[in-house]
Amino acid sequence: AQSVTQLGSHVSVSEGALVLLRCNYSSSVPPYLFWYVQYPNQGLQLLLKYTTGATLVKGINGFEAEFKKSETSFHLTKPSAHMSDAAEYFCAVSVDGGATNKLIFGTGTLLAVQP
Amino acid sequence: GAVVSQHPSWVICKSGTSVKIECRSLDFQATTMFWYRQFPKQSLMLMATSNEGSKATYEQGVEKDKFLINHASLTLSTLTVTSAHPEDSSFYICSASIPAGGSYEQYFGPGTRLTVT
Repeated sequence: AQSVTQLGSHVSVSEGALVLLRCNYSSSVPPYLFWYVQYPNQGLQLLLKYTTGATLVKGINGFEAEFKKSETSFHLTKPSAHMSDAAEYFCAVSVDGGATNKLIFGTGTLLAVQP
Repeated sequence: GAVVSQHPSWVICKSGTSVKIECRSLDFQATTMFWYRQFPKQSLMLMATSNEGSKATYEQGVEKDKFLINHASLTLSTLTVTSAHPEDSSFYICSASIPAGGSYEQYFGPGTRLTVT
């Protein structure tokens, strides 16, 4: 079975500081990994995804994540936080990239950005 | 880009009544859609996978007779909460699966907040 663990339910950074949101996964097969962002009372927006190939994945809004198989991690980073980055971030895993691929979500990390 | 809409965005109903939530793919066809439930400050829990023209596949622990899902067309899936009770109050989110870059991605609707009084 697949699972996702997000360390830190709340992360607070200063504007301009590095953002690091942690995600570790468990999967018996090569995983497909995703990061989503959710703003209050809205649905989820895909930030980036890892399927195969290059382990460093670049997404929207300056975010990137690196797939590290040896550490079973897929941490999300952004060099310089912006006030608009304040939101809830979810890491997710699926077992395949097919149409019916189920996403297993982590518990989420609420990012606060201080001025 | 792919847009998924939900209607209504919020609804309040009385205990014992039924509520229907619509999920539409606006600019693409979706053979597969998903329904999630999200409690306050918690993650999304998959309720069911909805396939056009066939019965939905429900996750373990989800009552099929309470949460009726219909996917009658390639652009519309509906979730009906029957005989709603206060414990059904939650944020319901749908997503549609579309091909992207050799695999599939899920595009999410904006969600529907259900409050049962």
